[in-house]
Amino acid sequence: GENVEQHPSTLSVQEGDSAVIKCTYSDSASNYFPWYKQELGKRPQLIIDIRSNVGEKKDQRIAVTLNKTAKHFSLHITETQPEDSAVYFCAATLPGAGSYQLTFGKGTKLSVIP
Amino acid sequence: DVKVTQSSRYLVKRTGEKVFLECVQDMDHENMFWYRQDPGLGLRLIYFSYDVKMKEKGDIPEGYSVSREKKERFSLILESASTNQTSMYLCASSPEDGNYGYTFGSGTRLTVV
Repeated sequence: GENVEQHPSTLSVQEGDSAVIKCTYSDSASNYFPWYKQELGKRPQLIIDIRSNVGEKKDQRIAVTLNKTAKHFSLHITETQPEDSAVYFCAATLPGAGSYQLTFGKGTKLSVIP
Repeated sequence: DVKVTQSSRYLVKRTGEKVFLECVQDMDHENMFWYRQDPGLGLRLIYFSYDVKMKEKGDIPEGYSVSREKKERFSLILESASTNQTSMYLCASSPEDGNYGYTFGSGTRLTVV
């Protein structure tokens, strides 16, 4: 099966600085890589995703990059704001008959200091 | 516009009780999933289902079972609750082509005493 490693487990940045969270995956057949944001006491919500035929995707202040050769992908948040404080999860999925399971990293707690 | 609904936000049960956690989605999704979330361990897959009456074990199925009698409903059952099953339980659903991510429910915080 797939294995996803996520680093760092905690990250503190000053408001306005950038934050980068990195994930590696084990199975080169994985083809879909979403990122979820979970605010305290709330459900995880999809914030951005990337497919294996794309190297980079951007949506306003967030971007995700994918390096298939190295089997790693990263979340980049620019101009961080206090409302970006949350736990972020990366995930990867293997295509398979009948279902598409996501394997999650263990999460990164991001704190943006005003 | 809640699309994945978990029946209880908080539950307290006694050791040995049979516990039912219910999840309903209104998006006509084929796939449904149960995860548990624990600090430092992230999200771990308990069971999933890709069709009515179909179920597959995830990474940590021991002590749990599931039921999917209707497409919109996926139930997680703790046959005999134990204190090490105290956790946050998250239900999720996705379309058959899973490359659109999951929609999660709000979670059920279960405490077993």
